[in-house]
Amino acid sequence: EAQVTQNPRYLITVTGKKLTVTCSQNMNHEYMSWYRQDPGLGLRQIYYSMNVEVTDKGDVPEGYKVSRKEKRNFPLILESPSPNQTSLYFCASTNYQGMVPGEELAPGEQFFGPGTRLTVL
Amino acid sequence: QKEVEQNSGPLSVPEGAIASLNCTYSDRGSQSFFWYRQYSGKSPELIMFIYSNGDKEDGRFTAQLNKASQYVSLLIRDSQPSDSATYLCAARRSFQKLVFGTGTRLLVSP
Repeated sequence: EAQVTQNPRYLITVTGKKLTVTCSQNMNHEYMSWYRQDPGLGLRQIYYSMNVEVTDKGDVPEGYKVSRKEKRNFPLILESPSPNQTSLYFCASTNYQGMVPGEELAPGEQFFGPGTRLTVL
Repeated sequence: QKEVEQNSGPLSVPEGAIASLNCTYSDRGSQSFFWYRQYSGKSPELIMFIYSNGDKEDGRFTAQLNKASQYVSLLIRDSQPSDSATYLCAARRSFQKLVFGTGTRLLVSP
């Protein structure tokens, strides 16, 4: 079954204790990204990766790190979590779809993982 | 001004009616637009995408795009209680960046 998996699904931690949220996809997708979702703010992109060893900042990268050593995995690292990072986190992956008018390579459907609900006390 | 704006709702419609969800965007460079459905506590799932002006139909869903007015909409015909969810509009301003609205909550009553 094609899917994006995230672990853990739920995590309660304390300020300053380093944590990693794993993300893995089995669809051989090049493009992966991390989002956080907060009430009233919607989904905001944290980091994305176009391919192995290629990562870049999204709109809210402060306090987060990522790595892309393998195509299937894209972990999100919080070196020193703070309460303002309490949120619902989604990992997503997509492939390249092809050309669309007015654009270069267009992404295909973006598959989201099930989400990780993180609470930082 | 948010880059992608949606009315948070809730939008309440009776079963069998047409639900009309609207979205405006500010970046004229946005080329593609997406509608996602998200049930409470679940991850978003793609309903439709559209990149040309006009209408695009898929089953009970019709997406409409008007680039001159910077307006995107989603019509759901014959609404069912199972359509009750939050609908997210997203605009892609580059391959890498998908910007989401905050979503409109739809309630379909039996």
